[in-house]
Amino acid sequence: KAGVTQTPRYLIKTRGQQVTLSCSPISGHRSVSWYQQTPGQGLQFLFEYFSETQRNKGNFPGRFSGRQFSNSRSEMNVSTLELGDSALYLCASSRGQGVNEQYFGPGTRLTVT
Amino acid sequence: SQQGEEDPQALSIQEGENATMNCSYKTSINNLQWYRQNSGRGLVHLILIRSNEREKHSGRLRVTLDTSKKSSSLLITASRAADTASYFCATAVMGSGTYKYIFGTGTRLKVLA
Repeated sequence: KAGVTQTPRYLIKTRGQQVTLSCSPISGHRSVSWYQQTPGQGLQFLFEYFSETQRNKGNFPGRFSGRQFSNSRSEMNVSTLELGDSALYLCASSRGQGVNEQYFGPGTRLTVT
Repeated sequence: SQQGEEDPQALSIQEGENATMNCSYKTSINNLQWYRQNSGRGLVHLILIRSNEREKHSGRLRVTLDTSKKSSSLLITASRAADTASYFCATAVMGSGTYKYIFGTGTRLKVLA
């Protein structure tokens, strides 16, 4: 089975721009979660989608949004980028919600200048 | 502070020695998982222990869980240079009717050849 894939792997954007990151889960997995990882804050949960519905949300501003498609692929969008949004964004998929092990993608390294 | 606090923050040992890292959490959990991350890449799931389990083994890994103390430990026996990585605990916590994962701060393990 192919693993979780994320595109693009690296991205450089300017303050004020917006960005869309993509995640394709493992085949058969219906849950996709997004995390932000920074040296200062560590791994922080952004949101989780299951069957195209956002089931859980972390403590991030409304500039961070996401969606999930019928094939379980997910995208996250960050609008009006700030320097502090520079981070590694990780996507994880699992069979169901919450209590299953998660399989992570390699991440998208976003740099905001 | 984060749900999961790990100690030590960093650990340096010789190849062949055992490495122990600890994770403490604050709220009731459904399960606790350990992950490994190499060089800023995606996380790899190591082991999952449910709240009604006290100990679990997987190869050279041994995980214990003490729900009364809200703590867990990960023991890596006969360490190898390839075990050099950051290790994170993640707790499945009920929120908004479903579970989400809260990651700890991580322990950076360095195994010297």
